[in-house]
Amino acid sequence: QLQLQESGPGLVKPSETLSLTCSLSGGSISTTRHSWGWIRQPPGKGLEWIGTSDYTGTISYTPSLKSRVTISVDTSKNQFSLRLSSVTAADTAVYYCATMVGSEAWSWGQGTLVTVSS
Amino acid sequence: QSVLTQPPSASGTPGQRVTISCSGSSSNIGSNTVNWYQQFPGTAPKLLIYSNNQRASGVPERFSGSKSGTSASLTISGLQSEDEADYHCATWDDSLSTYVVFGGGTKLTVL
Repeated sequence: QLQLQESGPGLVKPSETLSLTCSLSGGSISTTRHSWGWIRQPPGKGLEWIGTSDYTGTISYTPSLKSRVTISVDTSKNQFSLRLSSVTAADTAVYYCATMVGSEAWSWGQGTLVTVSS
Repeated sequence: QSVLTQPPSASGTPGQRVTISCSGSSSNIGSNTVNWYQQFPGTAPKLLIYSNNQRASGVPERFSGSKSGTSASLTISGLQSEDEADYHCATWDDSLSTYVVFGGGTKLTVL
């Protein structure tokens, strides 16, 4: 069974770039036909899909974040990553990585809280 | 402001039937399948229902999903105390590009 674990700084300054990594275990990121996605949840609010990269290398982002987001996959490390530039307090959230099949998020990491503050 | 609309709260007593609604438009629910997630406080969401009405592995039969037009529903028949959680609906949206949209979530309280 695939397991995911997010890692990265818990505190980022405004205007800087948020960088998170999701490490996969229990399977190879290059052989499974999943998409690799990021979803976030601001404190006390609902879920927001950020984007995914699928096994063909096709990447999709939510329109509201598209200009600031980069999702990449590193098959040699069995990881995928999220970079979100020019962050503001509105980007404070719990960030989840997930394996996806179409629009379905089947396996989730435990989530990591990222706070944007000076 | 979420693209899909859910009631912020719902409640019921043990044994009752509870339905949570999810309303969208022709560019999302109207043309794509709907998924439901269950989330307990402080934990990651878990896929509950996919493709409108398919239960994920291990999900009790009391959970069911349906879709009609631009709305979807999650029904819990025979509510149990352990069902107290947040429930989120989600689907693709094809309006600007193709991306996943969520509802704002519904907090279910078992009285």
